[in-house]
Amino acid sequence: SYELIQPPSVSVSPGQTASITCSGDKLGDKYACWYKQKPGQSPVLVIYQDNQRPSGIPERFSGSNSGNTATLTISGTQAMDEADYYCQAWDGTTVVFGGGTKLTVL
Amino acid sequence: QLQLQESGPGLVKASETLSLTCTVSGGSISSNSYYWGWIRQPPGKGLEWIGRIYYSGSTYYNPSLKSRVTMSVDTSKNQFSLKLSPVTAAHTAVYYCVRGQGNYFDNWGQGTLVTVSS
Repeated sequence: SYELIQPPSVSVSPGQTASITCSGDKLGDKYACWYKQKPGQSPVLVIYQDNQRPSGIPERFSGSNSGNTATLTISGTQAMDEADYYCQAWDGTTVVFGGGTKLTVL
Repeated sequence: QLQLQESGPGLVKASETLSLTCTVSGGSISSNSYYWGWIRQPPGKGLEWIGRIYYSGSTYYNPSLKSRVTMSVDTSKNQFSLKLSPVTAAHTAVYYCVRGQGNYFDNWGQGTLVTVSS
């Protein structure tokens, strides 16, 4: 079955750039999206179709997808960005989620 | 503004049936542009897709759960439902109903915790 691999944790200082990766076989041939989830809350879509931002998502969130890796980039990271982030793709038959990355802003 | 709200028992006995309903408000479930689905998250763990359903009633299920899952839609009530049977302790999770379009989910319910007891 198809798998998406994310680092369990990423740390970033306030104001710096955070990058969270998501790896899967030929992931660049599929669309990737990203969700942000704060404790006790539902996930929120922050990037879809590799690099599109839904309305209401700050411009500091961006995405890319090429080869075997999709990347979520948060520029000028703020304390409010601290959360779990999940990548997701559709492998043609099944929706697959990455295991999630805990972003710590310190 | 679209809202999705899960409802159903918070406690289910092992080997019985988990039944949840999602009520959609602020928009029609009968749209060719969207589909509807369920995603679950065991406590402290990641997200798992359960399946999706179109307003026509067409369904697609996660192959790992296919033998246990049934989804249905009631357009007259703007609702869709999930049945999972038989359940085990491994099915204890927060269950989210979602709206999907394309390859992603753009609206999520608040989630409901279902605990499977032995």
